[in-house]
Amino acid sequence: QSALTQPASVSGSPGQSITISCTGTSSDVGGYNYVSWYQQHPGKAPKLMIYEVSNRPSGVSNRFSGSKSGNTASLTISGLQAEDEADYYCSSYTSSSTRVFGTGTKVTVL
Amino acid sequence: QVQLQESGPGLVKPSGTLSLTCAVSGGSISSSNWWSWVRQPPGKGLEWIGEIYHSGSTNYNPSLKSRVTISVDKSKNQFSLKLSSVTAADTAVYYCAREEVSSSPYFDYWGQGTLVTVSS
Repeated sequence: QSALTQPASVSGSPGQSITISCTGTSSDVGGYNYVSWYQQHPGKAPKLMIYEVSNRPSGVSNRFSGSKSGNTASLTISGLQAEDEADYYCSSYTSSSTRVFGTGTKVTVL
Repeated sequence: QVQLQESGPGLVKPSGTLSLTCAVSGGSISSSNWWSWVRQPPGKGLEWIGEIYHSGSTNYNPSLKSRVTISVDKSKNQFSLKLSSVTAADTAVYYCAREEVSSSPYFDYWGQGTLVTVSS
């Protein structure tokens, strides 16, 4: 299975909004509303930010939102803050009952 | 609060077998969750290795399936990973994670990760 495609890097100034895309196929992203997003700071374990395309776990800021159109899911961070600087990964369930992660996106706060 | 802790050798010789265990606390491994292994080579992205249910049912990444075995020990509330015929490409931080599947599958709890280096 191939990794989902994400941009290598996205940057923005404090207060701005940025969007990270996650492109797969009809066998994963496009076939199910089972996309989740994870934030990873250097040297730390990933942290769940979004599940089931657009749901936020308790404790995650409402500045984080998710959506999906066709084979592409997106994570939007609004009101960008310095603490949002991290790597972000999408993940999807697949038609083979496996899981696949995205290639990862480094978010830089300018 | 569920906690996961990986343990095992930090150094494995090429062609050998990598063995790791994930101890689960604050919850039962016999709950309605799947239990996964995920790895991350230094400076690279996340790769899903596979998962197990307390019944023993498993799913594996097709690219690793021939070398991977994941097992569960309900009496010790832990699950394990074995990866055979390792090479330098298997050097990575290995994470164990709980997968919530009541509505849709996602990883809600993660271990801190353990670095395994493959080298002679």
